[in-house]
Amino acid sequence: GESVGLHLPTLSVQEGDNSIINCAYSNSASDYFIWYKQESGKGPQFIIDIRSNMDKRQGQRVTVLLNKTVKHLSLQIAATQPGDSAVYFCAERKTGRRALTFGSGTRLQVQP
Amino acid sequence: DGGITQSPKYLFRKEGQNVTLSCEQNLNHDAMYWYRQDPGQGLRLIYYSQIVNDFQKGDIAEGYSVSREKKESFPLTVTSAQKNPTAFYLCASSIDASPDTQYFGPGTRLTVL
Repeated sequence: GESVGLHLPTLSVQEGDNSIINCAYSNSASDYFIWYKQESGKGPQFIIDIRSNMDKRQGQRVTVLLNKTVKHLSLQIAATQPGDSAVYFCAERKTGRRALTFGSGTRLQVQP
Repeated sequence: DGGITQSPKYLFRKEGQNVTLSCEQNLNHDAMYWYRQDPGQGLRLIYYSQIVNDFQKGDIAEGYSVSREKKESFPLTVTSAQKNPTAFYLCASSIDASPDTQYFGPGTRLTVL
């Protein structure tokens, strides 16, 4: 079936570097995408979202890029900090469907 | 202090027993959701409700039941029919209007002994 997946299960970066977390999706009918951050034992925390009619959206220290041609979503974190260490999930929502479909997650480890 | 609360944080039950997980929100959100998360995996949708007294099955509803008698509450019952109930359960809510971003509670970790 169609699903959302991630290229890298674990990403290790140095503090201060930029991080890029990638996500591939296969459902061309998806119209909305979200990135969540989940710390151990806690619920997912909303980071940033993007609609399918956009290709880039920026937040505070984060940028989401959407490439519909290759069905690819990425999350860029500038000047990564130790507090950014967590598991990051991308999620998509199909047009007309309420529920989100989640990827399996990427663990980001920030080395001091 | 607005948000989504789930209780308890940790729950233990004996095999064959039903157990109910609580989810309450004071965000005035219309839609509420239950997800299940297994170790090292993403979230899978169990049930969702767009309005009071109405709910829909998600992708893995077997062995679970819900009710939505009040806008702010969406309890989930894990029945004895659920074959592998040990997991982390997450409740979410949204305003039911575009873009309909879902916000999550802190989760309940259920362990079946």
